[in-house]
Amino acid sequence: QQQVKQSPQSLIVQKGGISIINCAYENTAFDYFPWYQQFPGKGPALLIAIRPDVSEKKEGRFTISFNKSAKQFSLHIMDSQPGDSATYFCAAFPRGFQKLVFGTGTRLLVSP
Amino acid sequence: DVKVTQSSRYLVKRTGEKVFLECVQDMDHENMFWYRQDPGLGLRLIYFSYDVKMKEKGDIPEGYSVSREKKERFSLILESASTNQTSMYLCASSLPGAGITEAFFGQGTRLTVV
Repeated sequence: QQQVKQSPQSLIVQKGGISIINCAYENTAFDYFPWYQQFPGKGPALLIAIRPDVSEKKEGRFTISFNKSAKQFSLHIMDSQPGDSATYFCAAFPRGFQKLVFGTGTRLLVSP
Repeated sequence: DVKVTQSSRYLVKRTGEKVFLECVQDMDHENMFWYRQDPGLGLRLIYFSYDVKMKEKGDIPEGYSVSREKKERFSLILESASTNQTSMYLCASSLPGAGITEAFFGQGTRLTVV
């Protein structure tokens, strides 16, 4: 079974700080690595994604760093805001399949 | 605005009941998915469908079945509900993957089996 391991399970960051969430995968045949953001009472929504031929992707305050040799990727949230408080899921898209494999989720709380 | 709509936000059912969770998408997506979300376990795939009347088992299909008679509608069926099926259920849809495809999720159905 393909797996994506995510850490930490929960994270508390002060407003203005940097939030870092890490994921690692065990199968080399993944084509796409998205991050999903879920607010309470809502379904997850795509936040940012990266392909394995790119080492970094930045969109506003959100950055994905990708280390292909280590099979790891991480989400950095710069200048974290209380509105960023949510659950974050990393995911990977296996080559040749039609489904995403999700990590276990990180509950982020940004304190005012 | 793209939409995936789940018929119920909250459901309470009794053990042994047959339960239907309905999902409708308006994006003409070929792929539809049912996930189960539990704290500490993330999103686990129950079943997915890549075309009408086509279905494939996900990682945790036991105790569940699905139906897709029309492209826009994907139903999850709990044949005989049990307390360990108390959970948040999320439906999603997407275009066929060419390696990169966004999944759109509904708001979820929180099912409690008593």
